[in-house]
Amino acid sequence: GDSVTQMEGPVTLSEEAFLTINCTYTATGYPSLFWYVQYPGEGLQLLLKATKADDKGSNKGFEATYRKETTSFHLEKGSVQVSDSAVYFCALGSQGGSEKLVFGKGTKLTVNP
Amino acid sequence: GAVVSQHPSRVICKSGTSVKIECRSLDFQATTMFWYRQFPKQSLMLMATSNEGSKATYEQGVEKDKFLINHASLTLSTLTVTSAHPEDSSFYICSARDGASEKLFFGSGTQLSVL
Repeated sequence: GDSVTQMEGPVTLSEEAFLTINCTYTATGYPSLFWYVQYPGEGLQLLLKATKADDKGSNKGFEATYRKETTSFHLEKGSVQVSDSAVYFCALGSQGGSEKLVFGKGTKLTVNP
Repeated sequence: GAVVSQHPSRVICKSGTSVKIECRSLDFQATTMFWYRQFPKQSLMLMATSNEGSKATYEQGVEKDKFLINHASLTLSTLTVTSAHPEDSSFYICSARDGASEKLFFGSGTQLSVL
């Protein structure tokens, strides 16, 4: 079945450091790919998404490119801030939609000043 | 933005008792709601999908008699863990799909601990 493998955390960085959180997937068909973020005490929020190969999703300085050849959707940010501290979830939507999401385990990011 | 309120955020109960978790969409009508469970250091796993006014669809391996889901209105879905046991201790998260925008919004989760 479909699955998502996500870089294990926790990840601790200093402010303004470069962030990469790796995510690879296994799926039949052509799924949509998502990154969700969960800030402390809040629900998961959609951070960015890509619906087809070579699409780049971006939001709040974060980017991820849908790479079909490597089945990857790595999350990157050039300069993290303390406010980026959260748990990040990679997910795929079966059959191209978000009707049923398959999630990775989540990666906790802590950014220190 | 749209908000999904999940309550309670944390509950501790004795083995054999039942626990109800509520999920409310505060400013939109949720045509579909999803319930997930997450064990420590594991992925969120979809338990069931519920559409307003109809029976929930459970994922393989999820006991429908143990995890009762009710979606009686367009703004409220409840998950009742019946006769809870320590192995049911987990983090439960709901999500709701806005029928108008088709966007998905998540609750902040409920940590259930069964003693």
